[in-house]
Amino acid sequence: NAGVTQTPKFRVLKTGQSMTLLCAQDMNHEYMYWYRQDPGMGLRLIHYSVGEGTTAKGEVPDGYNVSRLKKQNFLLGLESAAPSQTSVYFCASSYLRAGTGELFFGEGSRLTVL
Amino acid sequence: TQLLEQSPQFLSIQEGENLTVYCNSSSVFSSLQWYRQEPGEGPVLLVTVVTGGEVKKLKRLTFQFGDARKDSSLHITAAQPGDTGLYLCAGYQAGTALIFGKGTTLSVSS
Repeated sequence: NAGVTQTPKFRVLKTGQSMTLLCAQDMNHEYMYWYRQDPGMGLRLIHYSVGEGTTAKGEVPDGYNVSRLKKQNFLLGLESAAPSQTSVYFCASSYLRAGTGELFFGEGSRLTVL
Repeated sequence: TQLLEQSPQFLSIQEGENLTVYCNSSSVFSSLQWYRQEPGEGPVLLVTVVTGGEVKKLKRLTFQFGDARKDSSLHITAAQPGDTGLYLCAGYQAGTALIFGKGTTLSVSS
């Protein structure tokens, strides 16, 4: 029962470094999402995908890129990390479009940018 | 722009008390969901409401969607320590992505 798996779970970066967060789901879901969660801010959508090979911008896409080359994987990239990107990142997937179907979340990836 | 306003932001109560959490907006939503998140974990769906005036019950939790589909409430009867967590409402409008409120942190002490 893996569900949604995020790697890595923790990472510390220096300003300007790059990294990629990997999200993998084994439920054959079409829809996948990347959110960031900051204290007192709830969950904010960064990017999402409605199927393999597609991506779209969410509320806060600046500074991030994504790719969905395989249906089961959704990658979130930071090309030049900034302290403002210190956050907990959550990946989610759904069978139906978010809002009509249930979002299944991973356990989160905590990123600190120094 | 914060489309969904949740209140209160923090709530600390004793076991056995009742409480209500509110989720308000000036916008109309096609559906609204409530999620619960525990520390170190991702949110888990509690309920989805889609019809104005709809009421759904999940054991001691009662969810209501406003008649105009602009607001929702979550009522917990006889709260228990296991109810402790972050409660998030999320609204969906056609053609957009799911938008989350800032959440209500509930602490229930025994």
